[in-house]
Amino acid sequence: GENVEQHPSTLSVQEGDSAVIKCTYSDSASNYFPWYKQELGKGPQLIIDIRSNVGEKKDQRIAVTLNKTAKHFSLHITETQPEDSAVYFCAASIKWAAGNKLTFGGGTRVLVKP
Amino acid sequence: NAGVTQTPKFRVLKTGQSMTLLCAQDMNHEYMYWYRQDPGMGLRLIHYSVGEGTTAKGEVPDGYNVSRLKKQNFLLGLESAAPSQTSVYFCASRYRDGQETQYFGPGTRLLVL
Repeated sequence: GENVEQHPSTLSVQEGDSAVIKCTYSDSASNYFPWYKQELGKGPQLIIDIRSNVGEKKDQRIAVTLNKTAKHFSLHITETQPEDSAVYFCAASIKWAAGNKLTFGGGTRVLVKP
Repeated sequence: NAGVTQTPKFRVLKTGQSMTLLCAQDMNHEYMYWYRQDPGMGLRLIHYSVGEGTTAKGEVPDGYNVSRLKKQNFLLGLESAAPSQTSVYFCASRYRDGQETQYFGPGTRLLVL
């Protein structure tokens, strides 16, 4: 089945610096790659996603890049702010027995130091 | 819209006890999912449903049962709780095929002693 690896597991950055989180996936049939942000005590919330027919997508300070050949995708956060502190999860979606299935990475805890 | 809601928020069980976690969504979503979240392991799919009256097994279904009698509700049952089921449980829903975004509830923290 699909396997998603996420690195690093923790990331500490100074406010204003950039943060990069990387994920690799194993199943070349994966076609949808969302990123979720989880704040303390809350459920994950989608922040950006990308489909396999697109190489890059940007939304204000966040961007995602996808390299299908290498089977990896990355989240880039620029000009980090304290409110960016959270746990971030990447995921890959493939068609399964009945519908699509998301496989999640292990998460990255991001701490933005003021 | 309330989105996806989960009850209870927190529960302590003794080994062998049973309980049901309730997930409700008011977005008319076809798909619903139950995940468990354990430290360093991301979210793992327990069971899911592609529509009212249907359920299917995910990656880690053992020890759990589910039911989707109404489109808006998805119940997760633990018949005989074990300490290994101590976790945070998240429910999610998705509108339909072609709409990939899953919307998550706030989670239920379960402690099995």
